[in-house]
Amino acid sequence: DAGVIQSPRHEVTEMGQEVTLRCKPISGHDYLFWYRQTMMRGLELLIYFNNNVPIDDSGMPEDRFSAKMPNASFSTLKIQPSEPRDSAVYFCASSRWLAGTYSYNEQFFGPGTRLTVL
Amino acid sequence: KNQVEQSPQSLIILEGKNCTLQCNYTVSPFSNLRWYKQDTGRGPVSLTIMTFSENTKSNGRYTATLDADTKQSSLHITASQLSDSASYICVVSSNSGGYQKVTFGTGTKLQVIP
Repeated sequence: DAGVIQSPRHEVTEMGQEVTLRCKPISGHDYLFWYRQTMMRGLELLIYFNNNVPIDDSGMPEDRFSAKMPNASFSTLKIQPSEPRDSAVYFCASSRWLAGTYSYNEQFFGPGTRLTVL
Repeated sequence: KNQVEQSPQSLIILEGKNCTLQCNYTVSPFSNLRWYKQDTGRGPVSLTIMTFSENTKSNGRYTATLDADTKQSSLHITASQLSDSASYICVVSSNSGGYQKVTFGTGTKLQVIP
């Protein structure tokens, strides 16, 4: 398996522009997570899906952020309009349910998208 | 408020030496605790996951311990190698309202020098 695939790897855009980040989870995984990482705040969970349904989006910073998962093999994170403070590395991760523990199993992270908003 | 605190913030050790990283948490109700290793410029990679009933878990030269009573975990690295240089992140999950809530530590940055 190729692992979690994210695109683009780097994105540079100007303030006010729309940004769309893409993620393909590992086949067979039923959980998908979007994270943001900055030096100041570390790793933050933005939203996660189970079987394509958003479960917890309490980490989404504001209405400018939206995420979709139209099918089991694709998800997008959109920022519209983008602002300089959105500059960060955005990670996508996927996982499978861990039977008997009421928990999901090890998360596999993608390589991340480094977003720079000028 | 759920919190995960890691110490030290950064650490420099000589190659071949052992080290221990600490994680204290105030997450409730507890579901599981994970340690991740993150190399510079890469996504985190899971090292161990422990549920309430487990108090130790090993992955090669990495051994994690969990004391659910004191809400503490440690990650012990044996015979360190240059490739162990990375950030190590402690993540604690809780079950809340039927779904998982995760709280991240800010990480310990480890540098192994020759």
